[in-house]
Amino acid sequence: QSVLTQPPSASGTPGQRVTISCSGSSSNIGSNYVYWSQLAPGTAPKLLIYRNNERPSGVPDRFSGSKSGTSASLAISGLRSEDEADYYCATWDDRLSGSVFGGGTKLTVL
Amino acid sequence: QMQLVQSGPEVRKPGTSVKISCKASGFTFTSSSIQWVRQARGQRLEWIGRIVVGSGKTNFAQKFQERVTITRDMSTTTAFMELSSLRSEDTAVYYCAAEILASGYGDWGHGTLVTVSS
Repeated sequence: QSVLTQPPSASGTPGQRVTISCSGSSSNIGSNYVYWSQLAPGTAPKLLIYRNNERPSGVPDRFSGSKSGTSASLAISGLRSEDEADYYCATWDDRLSGSVFGGGTKLTVL
Repeated sequence: QMQLVQSGPEVRKPGTSVKISCKASGFTFTSSSIQWVRQARGQRLEWIGRIVVGSGKTNFAQKFQERVTITRDMSTTTAFMELSSLRSEDTAVYYCAAEILASGYGDWGHGTLVTVSS
C-alpha cells in the first residue's frame, strides 16, 4: 500500500491527452514538491517533472505537471506510442521524514 | 550534463551484504542529495534512503533502517549504498537518483541488478 495513490492504469489513443493523478495528504503533497518519473522497459528511469511543474531540458512540452492542495497530476498531450511506460509520482513526507512514491500508473497507447 | 554511473550487477547469498556505488558527474556533488530506490520485478518503486551530500545527513525508510548504510566520498564524487542481511526478497534493481538542492533538478542512474540466491 503506497502513501501516494495513483490509478494503476491509464490509456489513450495517439494524439489524445491523458492525465494521471496522484493523491496524498497534508504531510506529503500538501507541503512538498512533487516529482514525476517515467519507467519504460529496458531503459533507465527518466525524470519528467520536478518541483510540481518544471520540465528538465530534453523533456517534450507535451508533458506537464500541476499540483493543487494534496493532489498532483501529470498530463501528456499529443500521445505517442513511445509514451507507453509506467509513471510514478514522488514527494517528501514530513511525518515519515522520507520520500514516498505512488504505486505507479501503467500507460497504454491503444 | 548530469550523469550517474552505477556499479555492475551483483549476486549474493542470503545473509551477506552488498555495496553499490553511484559515480556522479556534470553537477556540483556537494550541493546535491542522493537517493536510493529499488524495484523488484513486477513491483512498484520503493524508497530506501538518501544522503544530503554536503552535510552527510541521512534519512532511511523505516523498513530498511537497521540494514542499510548510505555514504559518500567527496573526493571521487561517489555515493554508496550498502544493504546487509540480504534475503531473497531483496532481489531487485537498485537505482540512485540525484537532486540538485537549489533547483530540484535531478536525474536517475541506470540501475544495478542485485540477485540474492543460495
